[in-house]
Amino acid sequence: NAGVMQNPRHLVRRRGQEARLRCSPMKGHSHVYWYRQLPEEGLKFMVYLQKENIIDESGMPKERFSAEFPKEGPSILRIQQVVRGDSAAYFCASSPPIGTADNNEQFFGPGTRLTVL
Amino acid sequence: SQQGEEDPQALSIQEGENATMNCSYKTSINNLQWYRQNSGRGLVHLILIRSNEREKHSGRLRVTLDTSKKSSSLLITASRAADTASYFCATDQAGTALIFGKGTTLSVSS
Repeated sequence: NAGVMQNPRHLVRRRGQEARLRCSPMKGHSHVYWYRQLPEEGLKFMVYLQKENIIDESGMPKERFSAEFPKEGPSILRIQQVVRGDSAAYFCASSPPIGTADNNEQFFGPGTRLTVL
Repeated sequence: SQQGEEDPQALSIQEGENATMNCSYKTSINNLQWYRQNSGRGLVHLILIRSNEREKHSGRLRVTLDTSKKSSSLLITASRAADTASYFCATDQAGTALIFGKGTTLSVSS
């Protein structure tokens, strides 16, 4: 059973370009979370999605950032017009449907390290 | 806002010694989880302790939770060089987003 998959693992963009980060949850998991980690910091929650629904986006910057989790395919975190301050590691986590596990144990992917030049 | 705060920020010990890391948080929680992160890698889930539990063991790991003090500790016994990593506590308040502390960087030398 493959774990959470993220790609690309490393992404380099110039200021003003767009970054697309992909996350495939573990098989059977229907909840996806995106977190951002700045250097020497802990992870900060960005957004929580279920299939075709954004449940909680309270951690998302109001502009340039968007996320989706379509019925088919991976979850996408999209950053438009990237700036140097967007350079960070972006982690995706998934968890099983509510009712199958009441612990909210989240399984993390290896992350995408975004560098903005 | 930061929920969990780990203490100390950095810890250096010799192989075979025990390592203790502490985590404090601010609001009521459903559970508290500890994760390990090796340099430049993803997070590995270590252990989850529910709000109605006081102590939990997993191999060389021992976690305690004191909800009255809003604090938790992670003890790694008989540490090994391979335990060198950053350790984060994360609190689950409402069954959705986890709130992470800044982590403790553990260095185990042989």
